[in-house]
Amino acid sequence: DIVLTQSPGTLSLSPGDRATLSCRASETIKSNYLAWYQQRPGQTPTLVIYDASSRATGIPDRFSGSGSGTDFTLTISRLEPEDFAIYYCQQYGSSYTLGQGTKLEIK
Amino acid sequence: EVQLLESGGGLVQPGGSLRLSCSGSGFTFSTYAMDWVRQAPGKGLEWVSAISGSGANRYYVDSVKGRFTISRDNSKNTLYLQMNSLRAEDTALYYCAKERKILLSAIDSWGQGTLVTVSS
Repeated sequence: DIVLTQSPGTLSLSPGDRATLSCRASETIKSNYLAWYQQRPGQTPTLVIYDASSRATGIPDRFSGSGSGTDFTLTISRLEPEDFAIYYCQQYGSSYTLGQGTKLEIK
Repeated sequence: EVQLLESGGGLVQPGGSLRLSCSGSGFTFSTYAMDWVRQAPGKGLEWVSAISGSGANRYYVDSVKGRFTISRDNSKNTLYLQMNSLRAEDTALYYCAKERKILLSAIDSWGQGTLVTVSS
């Protein structure tokens, strides 16, 4: 099974900063079938990025996804207060796996 | 508007069984893959199981293989998760989720979850 490792575990930044979150897979993800989800405290997850780089409906363009093969990145160009949350990556190219999450917290 | 409503959670003893249900509305149920994802208290998300739109393809996380069975009744727009031989580590909020496509795609809608507690 594909293992996804997210880094860092916690990222402390300020509003207006640029955030870069990493997701590394233990083997190549077929067709770059990788998604990113945002989960705010007490809420259900929300799809942010699918197929590595496609923004989900309603997601602001400050969110972008990139990468291929085994290394993927979620970038938030300029952090807004509502962006501070936990972010998970998921692969669905070979069965399904979720990463352990990156907590984006206010510095 | 997509709506997913889970039911069937509760308190069960170790070794016991539960069947979760998820009723879907606002979309053509049979044309989308469906998933169960769980979240233990204070922990991260864990994908549990998925089933294709037709029901022909099923996937499980290793820790539940042989104990959990996912199924769907497209005539009733309902997804199920039969959970047997439950363990304390199965305690979690179980989310029903809809994928973007009929098979192997990202999740674009989530229910509010149903809580399963395994304890004596």
